[in-house]
Amino acid sequence: AQKITQTQPGMFVQEKEAVTLDCTYDTSDPSYGLFWYKQPSSGEMIFLIYQGSYDQQNATEGRYSLNFQKARKSANLVISASQLGDSAMYFCAMREVMNAGGTSYGKLTFGQGTILTVHP
Amino acid sequence: SQTIHQWPATLVQPVGSPLSLECTVEGTSNPNLYWYRQAAGRGLQLLFYSVGIGQISSEVPQNLSASRPQDRQFILSSKKLLLSDSGFYLCAWSATGGVRPLNSPLHFGNGTRLTVT
Repeated sequence: AQKITQTQPGMFVQEKEAVTLDCTYDTSDPSYGLFWYKQPSSGEMIFLIYQGSYDQQNATEGRYSLNFQKARKSANLVISASQLGDSAMYFCAMREVMNAGGTSYGKLTFGQGTILTVHP
Repeated sequence: SQTIHQWPATLVQPVGSPLSLECTVEGTSNPNLYWYRQAAGRGLQLLFYSVGIGQISSEVPQNLSASRPQDRQFILSSKKLLLSDSGFYLCAWSATGGVRPLNSPLHFGNGTRLTVT
């Protein structure tokens, strides 16, 4: 089963409007982290925002906010006041604790991504 | 500040040739290191991760191998490339273990676009 599901292959938004990118996840672990990354056409992965499973409040970073609904296992990204430079692929990812050789590390599993196009 | 360098940016290699992609991290010690592969228009698949020098774990059995000869150096290799090895390879680092490893984002290099012909 998919651990991270992004059901929107592509989204379009008018410049200066807000847009919501959907993400649902599946885990039985009570402790996890949720991330959103932006990938422009250049290919680099840019970290946008983080939400911890125990965080009481929704995360915000500038124009980015995360609509975290734990019971529904959803972590949607909201971009307010879209800009032309926001056009990119957006990935939702979940981090779970794994243990290797006595040291913990966080395995990051990605969704398939949503291509966002901002129209002028 | 921390930086991650990955090279080369693009690579075209014939089937059956060897591969070596290198990644180095500056400004941090004992990072967790990762190699991901991204097929065209798809999400990222974790290939290898390392929590320390000489400690490599593989997520997916494949034609590739990884090594970590130094604390901040991570190398992806293949003895004989296959057509299916084509893709976009991304190296990443995160802060090591600790109390809350979950809130440490992965920081990615700029990637290597590999085409096997």
